[in-house]
Amino acid sequence: DADVTQTPRNRITKTGKRIMLECSQTKGHDRMYWYRQDPGLGLRLIYYSFDVKDINKGEISDGYSVSRQAQAKFSLSLESAIPNQTALYFCATSEPGEWYETQYFGPGTRLLVL
Amino acid sequence: RKEVEQDPGPFNVPEGATVAFNCTYSNSASQSFFWYRQDCRKEPKLLMSVYSSGNEDGRFTAQLNRASQYISLLIRDSKLSDSATYLCVPRLYNFNKFYFGSGTKLNVKP
Repeated sequence: DADVTQTPRNRITKTGKRIMLECSQTKGHDRMYWYRQDPGLGLRLIYYSFDVKDINKGEISDGYSVSRQAQAKFSLSLESAIPNQTALYFCATSEPGEWYETQYFGPGTRLLVL
Repeated sequence: RKEVEQDPGPFNVPEGATVAFNCTYSNSASQSFFWYRQDCRKEPKLLMSVYSSGNEDGRFTAQLNRASQYISLLIRDSKLSDSATYLCVPRLYNFNKFYFGSGTKLNVKP
């Protein structure tokens, strides 16, 4: 079984709808992240959480919210979806470390907003 | 200026060739560096990490030049399976920030 899972894997929704993307991990990591990827651009950080009580905005948090329900679960919500939120969304986890800390990614959710 | 700059490619090379990618980063405080591999529309996967001057793992070698603020990835004896996009990722440890480049695409041809 995959260490980091995301649901749904694909989603089509309409402008104005509220949707939730979910991420679960079995790696036991405290740190979790949400990124989006658009063609020709690098991954951009939306939100990150260092533990259940610690949630922080990333560089592009407007229009998104998150919930860290447990160490293993981190959900991303689009309150009112708009077409420019069409993207590939990745969840990632990491364990605190110094120079060697690396991130492990889920398989991604492809979101299309019509 | 972008935090991370990579040549998008594509680099089209024959099997067995040696190919090198460069990546420049703007934040001189970056402390560690990673190369991730991403297959089309799939998740990035860690290929190598670099902290000091360089790292080697089989056919892959990463070199770091802090003075010039660039890192490179060298792939020797290219395989068809090396075809992918390679992401350069500097990291600021104190702020736990990972900066993802947009990637360099490699196509290895038979």
